[in-house]
Amino acid sequence: NAGVMQNPRHLVRRRGQEARLRCSPMKGHSHVYWYRQLPEEGLKFMVYLQKENIIDESGMPKERFSAEFPKEGPSILRIQQVVRGDSAAYFCASSPETQANYGYTFGSGTRLTVV
Amino acid sequence: EDQVTQSPEALRLQEGESSSLNCSYTVSGLRGLFWYRQDPGKGPEFLFTLYSAGEEKEKERLKATLTKKESFLHITAPKPEDSATYLCAVGGSQGNLIFGKGTKLSVKP
Repeated sequence: NAGVMQNPRHLVRRRGQEARLRCSPMKGHSHVYWYRQLPEEGLKFMVYLQKENIIDESGMPKERFSAEFPKEGPSILRIQQVVRGDSAAYFCASSPETQANYGYTFGSGTRLTVV
Repeated sequence: EDQVTQSPEALRLQEGESSSLNCSYTVSGLRGLFWYRQDPGKGPEFLFTLYSAGEEKEKERLKATLTKKESFLHITAPKPEDSATYLCAVGGSQGNLIFGKGTKLSVKP
């Protein structure tokens, strides 16, 4: 049973380009969460999605960032017109529908570097 | 506003030297206190969930305890392979987690 799969592991983008980060949840998990970890900072919640629905996006920056979790395929975190401040590690986590204790499983992350 | 503070930021121990990591929290209503371990270049790995004051959980050399204001992660006779960053988090109202900045633990042989 594969864990949460994120790709790519490392992504380099020039300022102004778009970044697309992908997350495939664990088999049987229908809830996906995205977090961002800036250097020397803690993990910060960005968005919580279920299949075809955004449940909570209170942690998402208002501009340039969007997320989706389609009926088929992985969840996508999209960052348009990247800036140097977007450089960070982005982690995805998933949990099953019946999970009640938030002990969800994280992927290994995508490290985004904006040059 | 829900908040989590971890101390110390970094801790260096000799192999076999027991110690504790602290996690202080302020929440409107506790929906669980979580401990994770994070190795360099990897995602957080779930360790424990605690829900009520007085609760304790153990796993190998680790023991987590909870009071109404803080949690401790006790490490007994640590080994070099216990070196990692330990993260504490509380459950938010929408299924999200609110994390502290972590304690970086180094255990020297």
